Amino acid sequence: DAKTTQPNSMESNEEEPVHLPCNHSTISGTDYIHWYRQLPSQGPEYVIHGLTSNVNNRMASLAIAEDRKSSTLILHRATLRDAAVYYCILRDVWNNDMRFGAGTRLTVKP
Amino acid sequence: SQTIHQWPATLVQPVGSPLSLECTVEGTSNPNLYWYRQAAGRGLQLLFYSVGIGQISSEVPQNLSASRPQDRQFILSSKKLLLSDSGFYLCAWAGQGGNQPQHFGDGTRLSIL
Repeated sequence: DAKTTQPNSMESNEEEPVHLPCNHSTISGTDYIHWYRQLPSQGPEYVIHGLTSNVNNRMASLAIAEDRKSSTLILHRATLRDAAVYYCILRDVWNNDMRFGAGTRLTVKP
Repeated sequence: SQTIHQWPATLVQPVGSPLSLECTVEGTSNPNLYWYRQAAGRGLQLLFYSVGIGQISSEVPQNLSASRPQDRQFILSSKKLLLSDSGFYLCAWAGQGGNQPQHFGDGTRLSIL
């Protein structure tokens, strides 16, 4: 899988939007962009994924740059329960393995 | 709906003892299955994945092994545990193909004494 680069940590205030960036300059045409988050002492939780177009679901929105070399996970209104490590992962459509990087630790302040 | 079961939740084992962790999936057929390990304060390390019964891909050399005796059963084993095997072990499943999300179990926290 191609590599991704994320900031080590970010802070947000409760009730405000959060934009979590991810750079993936070596993305290939068959790489899907996946986002997961991991709360303390729990397994990762799927958040959202996309290929080229922006995606929305009940948890978040995924904004994908036109050249696909970067993407942004958007939490529209951060809550204290959103404090977690967020992972951005590229996964080729033909590959079955999946590798996690270090992720971004999001802190939400009340 | 699909569910994934992983047990036990916590385990304390002496060095040199054997290990068997089991993971089962319900509500889907022919899933891809994965074992990850997470050391304290670290990221997830992919250990094994399987695309079908009896098919195991190993990502890192170690004293652990995996087996898939049934379509929805994935087992992580060791004949002799090392101190370095301590960690948080996570099982996950996904549909076939890179556009399918992974779904994780609750994990097993393994401590080696």
